Amino acid sequence: EVQLLESGGGLVQPGGSLRLSCAASGFTFSTYAMSWVRQAPGKGLEWVSGISGSYSSTYYADSVKGRFTISRDSSKNTLYLQMNSLRPEDAAVYFCAKGALTVAGGLDYWGQGTLLTVSS
Amino acid sequence: QSALTQPASVSESPGQSITISCTGTRNDVGGYDFVSWYQQHPGKAPKLMIYEVTNRPSGVPDRFSGSKSGNTASLTISGLQADDEAYYYCSSWTSSSTPVAFGGGTKLTVL
Repeated sequence: EVQLLESGGGLVQPGGSLRLSCAASGFTFSTYAMSWVRQAPGKGLEWVSGISGSYSSTYYADSVKGRFTISRDSSKNTLYLQMNSLRPEDAAVYFCAKGALTVAGGLDYWGQGTLLTVSS
Repeated sequence: QSALTQPASVSESPGQSITISCTGTRNDVGGYDFVSWYQQHPGKAPKLMIYEVTNRPSGVPDRFSGSKSGNTASLTISGLQADDEAYYYCSSWTSSSTPVAFGGGTKLTVL
């Protein structure tokens, strides 16, 4: 059974940093693309970042480019999102999602999300 | 503002069919067959319903189907059931600097 468990969310001040983690199990982690998708309270889904499987190519939304870094550790079956220079508009539930062989494909499994609050 | 345009809400009676549209451009929906649809119940994680325009993941009922014509993708749900009441989001690979776009979401009400 595929499982994705996010952690690392919390309260951070504007300008601060935080690292989210997503522990994956039930599939060959290194093979598949992974993405982070966020959802601000009462709003729709926003794709944030993705990383391919084999070559770990990375992709970012314009809204986070230069501030967020996605990475993966296949030895630990864990996906990360390093978030720097956080802004109030980054506040959201962050979902980790398993993709297809490429970042372009659909996201077939999702975690339950971890909440990021950005406030002073 | 979302890159992909969906109606904010739709409604229909149980047992009927409904189609939700997702309009983009030739740089996203019209240019790639990487269109997906997700169902999200309040407080829950999204669930993949359709991928690559027309494909259903294992376990998704065949009442759900996807299609595309030009720059517009569509999700059709037939034989509506109460549990289909949810938000539905489309997404597409794009050639823009943000490579994955989501639609703004459509709230489906089953009357």
